[in-house]
Amino acid sequence: GAVVSQHPSRVICKSGTSVKIECRSLDFQATTMFWYRQFPKQSLMLMATSNEGSKATYEQGVEKDKFLINHASLTLSTLTVTSAHPEDSSFYICSAKALEGVYEQYFGPGTRLTVT
Amino acid sequence: GQNIDQPTEMTATEGAIVQINCTYQTSGFNGLFWYQQHAGEAPTFLSYNVLDGLEEKGRFSSFLSRSKGYSYLLLKELQMKDSASYLCAVLDSNYQLIWGAGTKLIIKP
Repeated sequence: GAVVSQHPSRVICKSGTSVKIECRSLDFQATTMFWYRQFPKQSLMLMATSNEGSKATYEQGVEKDKFLINHASLTLSTLTVTSAHPEDSSFYICSAKALEGVYEQYFGPGTRLTVT
Repeated sequence: GQNIDQPTEMTATEGAIVQINCTYQTSGFNGLFWYQQHAGEAPTFLSYNVLDGLEEKGRFSSFLSRSKGYSYLLLKELQMKDSASYLCAVLDSNYQLIWGAGTKLIIKP
């Protein structure tokens, strides 16, 4: 149980285009989903926290107009990187916290974004 | 500020035992997590400690001392597949996870 999927797993796009990443909790309902970014050899950096049906809470320094988050249902959250630039190239990981239970976060497999 | 410290890198031999330490200073405490992350993959959950003491789970054990702000992850009978980064994370008073930078564990034959 507690499986989180992410799609796509890998994407290459041109500078200036937008990319949408989907995060789904497959066998549980997630009240809260988290979006992380991880640069090579660095730890996870929380970008934003999204609760179903409400606006996401962004961490300091993360541009909400550039990284659009939509948490439309208890099983789906999307992150759209708008007008992507090469410096946005990174490993993006989502995680989900179950409706019930403790505070463990279940991670998706991640999305490798490369902006050329 | 909030801070989690763990060694950047450790090396151990296949079949041996290794202990990865984590110290933390956070605003409140609601539990400590250990995650394993292989290169290019997402983290996977290893353990959760909220009370003092040792939690054993197969070859992996995790220890917590809240008074000392200290935890360790103990890996026994090391296997080559244990080569990975090990992330310590603390749930603070706002139930937000504060992440350490991770410890890269290198296993040598």
